Amino acid sequence: AQSVTQPDIHITVSEGASLELRCNYSYGATPYLFWYVQSPGQGLQLLLKYFSGDTLVQGIKGFEAEFKRSQSSFNLRKPSVHWSDAAEYFCAVGPTSGTYKYIFGTGTRLKVLA
Amino acid sequence: EPEVTQTPSHQVTQMGQEVILRCVPISNHLYFYWYRQILGQKVEFLVSFYNNEISEKSEIFDDQFSVERPDGSNFTLKIRSTKLEDSAMYFCASSGQKNTEAFFGQGTRLTVV
Repeated sequence: AQSVTQPDIHITVSEGASLELRCNYSYGATPYLFWYVQSPGQGLQLLLKYFSGDTLVQGIKGFEAEFKRSQSSFNLRKPSVHWSDAAEYFCAVGPTSGTYKYIFGTGTRLKVLA
Repeated sequence: EPEVTQTPSHQVTQMGQEVILRCVPISNHLYFYWYRQILGQKVEFLVSFYNNEISEKSEIFDDQFSVERPDGSNFTLKIRSTKLEDSAMYFCASSGQKNTEAFFGQGTRLTVV
């Protein structure tokens, strides 16, 4: 069965510092991978997605993620964090040939220090 | 830009009452989903809906829950007899194809008292 692991529950970085949020997935084939962001009390906004092709994908708000098949990872990165990036970030895998659901990780809450 | 719309944004209901949460998915999308998020916890899958029928449901989606697409535009989640533990944020989502990104609404915060 598919699963998604986000090992970091909370991360704190200073404004202007770089950021990397970790995501590991479990699936036999290449999954469809997503990162979503959720600001407090808000819905889930898609940051970026990976389906195939170039393993480094660019998203909105200056985020990027790299798919590494050998490590079953899809880590989210940003070179310089802004205070407005404080939010919860969710990694997700998309439906497969046998499923009709997106599976989310437990989320990483990002705090940005001024 | 097309978006998924959910109403109401917040609903308070008494335990045992029925509630209907409403969603208007993006107009040309074919796949529809309900998720819930208990405060501070993970986003949990409830049900997916395609071609006017449930395509997959989770263990959470028991007989108290039902979904409907009554008129080709709305997509509703009904909880027949609410329990305190049903208090959560409920998100509706839609996607154009099975293996593309899902777009989420802003959620309905359900509080059962």
